[in-house]
Amino acid sequence: DIQMTQSPSSLSASVGDRVTITCQASQDISNYLNWYQQKPGKAPKLLIYDASNLETGVPSRFSGSGSGTDFTFTISSLQPEDIATYYCQQYDNPYTFGQGTKLEIK
Amino acid sequence: EVQLVESGGGLVKPGRSLRLSCTASGFTFGDYAMSWFRQAPGKGLEWVGFIRSKAYGGTTEYAASVKGRFTISRDDSKSIAYLQMNSLKTEDTAVYYCTRGGGYDILTEWGQGTLVTVSS
Repeated sequence: DIQMTQSPSSLSASVGDRVTITCQASQDISNYLNWYQQKPGKAPKLLIYDASNLETGVPSRFSGSGSGTDFTFTISSLQPEDIATYYCQQYDNPYTFGQGTKLEIK
Repeated sequence: EVQLVESGGGLVKPGRSLRLSCTASGFTFGDYAMSWFRQAPGKGLEWVGFIRSKAYGGTTEYAASVKGRFTISRDDSKSIAYLQMNSLKTEDTAVYYCTRGGGYDILTEWGQGTLVTVSS
């Protein structure tokens, strides 16, 4: 099974800050990597697909990069509504998630 | 608009069975694979399994943690995907989500989830 190592597990930042989350796959997954946002009591919401493509309707302050085994997710300017837990997910064989990053406002 | 509605969750004793349903609307159900995921309280997301569309044989794949105990099936005439859970364990306690897609699909559509609690 492909393991996904996501860091940090939690993050506190101020409104307007640039926030970065990393995800490392245990083997090469090309660009089969998505990023999801999950708010309490809600289903995950797709933000970024294929490592760097912004899902329709998602604000442009969200972005992703990487390929192979190392990936990065960035919020360019943190907004209060971005408070959530973020997960990376590989869909190469078949689906594995990172442990999640809980994002809080400082 | 794509909608996925899970149902059938509840409290069940260890060793018993439960069947979840995922009722779909807003798309041609038979054209898509369907997947199940779960999330234990306060934990991360875990893939449970998926069923391919009939065009791809309608075959299934499962996570090792549920293989042999859980079965996914589908009724394309009713646009429903099922998750039959047998020999339930306390560690199966989770919110169960269904999604449209499976295999190498990007999962954009998720249901709201249904809570399954396995406890004596």
